[in-house]
Amino acid sequence: AQSVTQPDIHITVSEGASLELRCNYSYGATPYLFWYVQSPGQGLQLLLKYFSGDTLVQGIKGFEAEFKRSQSSFNLRKPSVHWSDAAEYFCAVAPTGTASKLTFGTGTRLQVTL
Amino acid sequence: EAQVTQNPRYLITVTGKKLTVTCSQNMNHEYMSWYRQDPGLGLRQIYYSMNVEVTDKGDVPEGYKVSRKEKRNFPLILESPSPNQTSLYFCASSLRSNRAPRSYEQYFGPGTRLTVT
Repeated sequence: AQSVTQPDIHITVSEGASLELRCNYSYGATPYLFWYVQSPGQGLQLLLKYFSGDTLVQGIKGFEAEFKRSQSSFNLRKPSVHWSDAAEYFCAVAPTGTASKLTFGTGTRLQVTL
Repeated sequence: EAQVTQNPRYLITVTGKKLTVTCSQNMNHEYMSWYRQDPGLGLRQIYYSMNVEVTDKGDVPEGYKVSRKEKRNFPLILESPSPNQTSLYFCASSLRSNRAPRSYEQYFGPGTRLTVT
């Protein structure tokens, strides 16, 4: 079975600083990978996804993520954080060939200081 | 507007009183799923449905039931709620898995916060 690890429970960055949120997965092959964002009191919104091909994936709101097979990682990055980026971020993995088994990490809460 | 709706958004109930949380999507998605979100545990899948009349257990199905009689609706039923089912519940939907990779994008409802006393 697949699993996802987000080692950072809480991260604080200053507005304008760069951001990297870590995600490591465990799966026998290359899975489908996702990053979702959850703003306070809201549902989850998809930021970006990786299925195959180019390992650097661009998403919405200026986010990008890089798939590194050798490290089993899919870290989320943003070059300059805005105060509105404060939210909880979830990495998720699904086995190739099915949408029925989306496994989420435990989330990283991002705080942005002004 | 394409969306997943859940009702109610907030619910406080007592142990043992049967309840249903409704979920509806207007995107003609075949696949629907229920998750619960608990602090420090992320989202865990309760049940999912690949199509009408096709449902299967997720990671934490105990204490829950689902049905899929219509494509657009996927209600979550708690026959005898207990305090350990106090949680934030999300419904999600997507296109079937054997279509293009974009089908793996799950669309989430706004959540239902359930408290069982």
